[in-house]
Amino acid sequence: GAVVSQHPSRVICKSGTSVKIECRSLDFQATTMFWYRQFPKQSLMLMATSNEGSKATYEQGVEKDKFLINHASLTLSTLTVTSAHPEDSSFYICSARGQGARNTIYFGEGSWLTVV
Amino acid sequence: QKEVEQDPGPLSVPEGAIVSLNCTYSNSAFQYFMWYRQYSRKGPELLMYTYSSGNKEDGRFTAQVDKSSKYISLFIRDSQPSDSATYLCAMEMGSARQLTFGSGTQLTVLP
Repeated sequence: GAVVSQHPSRVICKSGTSVKIECRSLDFQATTMFWYRQFPKQSLMLMATSNEGSKATYEQGVEKDKFLINHASLTLSTLTVTSAHPEDSSFYICSARGQGARNTIYFGEGSWLTVV
Repeated sequence: QKEVEQDPGPLSVPEGAIVSLNCTYSNSAFQYFMWYRQYSRKGPELLMYTYSSGNKEDGRFTAQVDKSSKYISLFIRDSQPSDSATYLCAMEMGSARQLTFGSGTQLTVLP
């Protein structure tokens, strides 16, 4: 079963509004979570690394003021797309590293964002 | 040159065929190798995880790593239409680093 849960799976918002996407590790604690963006028929593009209790590390070209990441607990990271525009419409996916025998990266189900 | 190269396909095979998916990489520091399956409009699902050269088998799937040639493969035996998806290879240098992905291979298994 899923070990990383993402919510909502699909969201439509109006231009200029903000939308929050949640990523939860279900049965393990994740000090590090990753946020990706994926365009149709393309691979995943890493946006930022979310660290529990500290600021996120953003990849080059990703606006940190537009894509706000908060990792307030060991099981929850959130991505807030602020002042959304139609070009922000995309598939956003989070991942988290498991622990112990499952020390590899598991992905959430993804969130489809459509900005109208 | 990309760190990880993967043929994007698309690849179409008849049901029951053996499928071979491959990735090459340039950075010898990669230690851990993964294959993910991604269905349309879904997040990637971990299929195989290996950290040494050789073969690892799980059901109809076999992952092969050749570190000397910097080449990894995923074989799917007795392929099924439900295997139709995009397959992503991924690798990392250590537990503190994020994954480096191939571009993904789109596979269609025809009934």
